[in-house]
Amino acid sequence: DAGVIQSPRHEVTEMGQEVTLRCKPISGHDYLFWYRQTMMRGLELLIYFNNNVPIDDSGMPEDRFSAKMPNASFSTLKIQPSEPRDSAVYFCASSLFTGLTEAFFGQGTRLTVV
Amino acid sequence: AQSVTQLDSHVSVSEGTPVLLRCNYSSSYSPSLFWYVQHPNKGLQLLLKYTSAATLVKGINGFEAEFKKSETSFHLTKPSAHMSDAAEYFCVVSARGTYKYIFGTGTRLKVLA
Repeated sequence: DAGVIQSPRHEVTEMGQEVTLRCKPISGHDYLFWYRQTMMRGLELLIYFNNNVPIDDSGMPEDRFSAKMPNASFSTLKIQPSEPRDSAVYFCASSLFTGLTEAFFGQGTRLTVV
Repeated sequence: AQSVTQLDSHVSVSEGTPVLLRCNYSSSYSPSLFWYVQHPNKGLQLLLKYTSAATLVKGINGFEAEFKKSETSFHLTKPSAHMSDAAEYFCVVSARGTYKYIFGTGTRLKVLA
């Protein structure tokens, strides 16, 4: 397996624009997580899915953020409209069972909102 | 509730000398503990994990960590640092049966030639 695949690797957009980040988890993994990494706040869990169903989105900062998982092999994180404070590295991760097994992380998407 | 504290934000060692990155955890339940490494502009890679088997856990690249329940610690060690070990290291706690990984704030390891 190629691991967790995220696209794009880098995204630069203007404030107010819609941004969509994409993730392909490892085949067969039941859980998918979206994290955000910033210097100020470190790594924060935004939302996670179990079997394509969103379980907890309490980490999503605002209504401008939304995430979907239409099937077991694809998820998106959308920001609309984007703001400069959304600039961060966004990681997608997947795992078989939470807590007991490790999460495998993608390479991340570095988002810059100007 | 679970939490994790990485006691040093930066650690510098000379190449060939031992590495010690410190991590203390707090967990209401029997925890799972992990160490991840992040090289510049890369994703997070699992170094090792503890899930209640042996208390001394061996990981990749010569790293190991010891789970000490009495001290609530899970320090990461390596006998001899290599230049390629320069990276940021994250200690992570997860309570059994929960989805949440709680990340430490990270320790940036610098290896001096």
